Amino acid sequence: AQSVTQPDIHITVSEGASLELRCNYSYGATPYLFWYVQSPGQGLQLLLKYFSGDTLVQGIKGFEAEFKRSQSSFNLRKPSVHWSDAAEYFCAVGVSMDMGRRALTFGSGTRLQVQP
Amino acid sequence: GAGVSQSPRYKVAKRGQDVALRCDPISGHVSLFWYQQALGQGPEFLTYFQNEAQLDKSGLPSDRFFAERPEGSVSTLKIQRTQQEDSAVYLCATTGPQETQYFGPGTRLLVL
Repeated sequence: AQSVTQPDIHITVSEGASLELRCNYSYGATPYLFWYVQSPGQGLQLLLKYFSGDTLVQGIKGFEAEFKRSQSSFNLRKPSVHWSDAAEYFCAVGVSMDMGRRALTFGSGTRLQVQP
Repeated sequence: GAGVSQSPRYKVAKRGQDVALRCDPISGHVSLFWYQQALGQGPEFLTYFQNEAQLDKSGLPSDRFFAERPEGSVSTLKIQRTQQEDSAVYLCATTGPQETQYFGPGTRLLVL
């Protein structure tokens, strides 16, 4: 069965510092991978996605992620964190359903706190 | 509207009450998903529609949970005889181009 592991429950970084959030997945087929961000009281917003091709993908808000098949990882990075980046971050893998669509299996999330 | 909308945003129910949660998808999006997000957890898949057809309901936790989408647009998730363990945020998502799921703001359900 598919699964997503986000080993860091909570991370605190200083504003302007670099950030890396870890994500490991388990899925038997070629994975569709996603990172979403959730601010308090808000819905999930897509940061970036990987389906195929270049393993380094760029997203919104200056985020990027790198797919490493050998490590079953899809870590999220940002070179310089802003206070507004404080939120909950979820990694997800798309699981094939009928009619070709994919439901998402999410990790348990990483809460990012940004210190001034 | 431009995005997925859900109503109500908050619902408080007494244990044993029935509740109905509504999802208005992005116009033209034929695929619709419901997820349940418990406190401190990631969302978990409940059920999936393609137009009006419910193609997968393997994630529904019990037969007290029922979802419908009769005209292939608005969807309703109904929970009968609510229990405290049903307290969670219920998220609706619709799928656009390239498998991107767009989420609504969710309905926060509290069962007392």
